[in-house]
Amino acid sequence: AQKVTQAQTEISVVEKEDVTLDCVYETRDTTYYLFWYKQPPSGELVFLIRRNSFDEQNEISGRYSWNFQKSTSSFNFTITASQVVDSAVYFCALGANAGGTSYGKLTFGQGTILTVHP
Amino acid sequence: DAGVIQSPRHEVTEMGQEVTLRCKPISGHNSLFWYRQTMMRGLELLIYFNNNVPIDDSGMPEDRFSAKMPNASFSTLKIQPSEPRDSAVYFCASSLPSGETQYFGPGTRLLVL
Repeated sequence: AQKVTQAQTEISVVEKEDVTLDCVYETRDTTYYLFWYKQPPSGELVFLIRRNSFDEQNEISGRYSWNFQKSTSSFNFTITASQVVDSAVYFCALGANAGGTSYGKLTFGQGTILTVHP
Repeated sequence: DAGVIQSPRHEVTEMGQEVTLRCKPISGHNSLFWYRQTMMRGLELLIYFNNNVPIDDSGMPEDRFSAKMPNASFSTLKIQPSEPRDSAVYFCASSLPSGETQYFGPGTRLLVL
């Protein structure tokens, strides 16, 4: 079975602080995909990043960076110099074959509520 | 380009009534997904389609729920009869072939009284 754990339920920081959101996943598949989505107060789900299991290269995009480590089954997300507009719920998700023929099934973590105070 | 379109955005209905949620995927995407989000259960996949064919409906709660995709540009999720416990935000998402990124619609907030 696929499982995604986001142990941090809520995080509160002050603007300009760096913040890391943790994500740990479980799957028996050797090929899988990992995602981060952002859900701001307006409610929509916004795609942030996608990583394939065979690509452990970490990435930086502006103030965002991601650390993918297969050895520890973790896919953490860091916001540098946080801003009030970063306040949202962040979801980590796993797309795995689950023994079938499709990677369409996404398993989401419970989400981390990030609040950035001015 | 237009994203995933969902209608209605909000729906308030009374228990026992039929509810139909609609979704138009991104043009060219051939996978479509229906999710439900609640505080208790988080985001759950209800059903997904590839090339208009239902692939996995194991997440559909019970027979009161049904989904169709009559063509590549339209899908419906129907609840009949609705119950208060169906109150949730229902998201539709679409993607290129499985494994690709799913892009979500704005969601339909359903309240069953």
